[in-house]
Amino acid sequence: GIQVEQSPPDLILQEGANSTLRCNFSDSVNNLQWFHQNPWGQLINLFYIPSGTKQNGRLSATTVATERYSLLYISSSQTTDSGVYFCAVDKASGAGSYQLTFGKGTKLSVIP
Amino acid sequence: DVKVTQSSRYLVKRTGEKVFLECVQDMDHENMFWYRQDPGLGLRLIYFSYDVKMKEKGDIPEGYSVSREKKERFSLILESASTNQTSMYLCASSRTASYNEQFFGPGTRLTVL
Repeated sequence: GIQVEQSPPDLILQEGANSTLRCNFSDSVNNLQWFHQNPWGQLINLFYIPSGTKQNGRLSATTVATERYSLLYISSSQTTDSGVYFCAVDKASGAGSYQLTFGKGTKLSVIP
Repeated sequence: DVKVTQSSRYLVKRTGEKVFLECVQDMDHENMFWYRQDPGLGLRLIYFSYDVKMKEKGDIPEGYSVSREKKERFSLILESASTNQTSMYLCASSRTASYNEQFFGPGTRLTVL
């Protein structure tokens, strides 16, 4: 099956700092999503970004599908950004193409 | 906004009980999914459904069944709960196979004693 690797696994930032999270995937994908899992366990949709660049406030994401990676940028981090960030992809076609495969996540801690 | 709701945030059951987890989405999505999340194992797909009364097994269907009688509702059933089914259960929905942006519910933390 498709492999998804996220880096770094853990990240500690001072409030106000910027960061880049990376997601590498092993095959062509139809869908790539970034999620933030809050302390109560809910997965919050950040970006649906199979290719290209999108921005939403202090967050932006870029996916280079031909090179099989995606980046999530967080600028001017706040304590509320703390949590686990997941990248998830589905296959471009064929068996299992509905299924999202998740990376193991990046645990971000933003300290005041 | 897409809204996916789950019947309970926290649930405690005894070994051997039959357990029903309910999920409802309000956006007329074709696809619905059940995942479980465990420390060290990440999120794993249990079952999904791409239409009413249709279902497909995911990676870990053993010990579970599902029901989708109406488009907006997808139920996960633990026929005889066991302690190794203690987990966080997450429901999701997406519009179509080609536009598979998935939206998740708040999750149900199930403890089986």
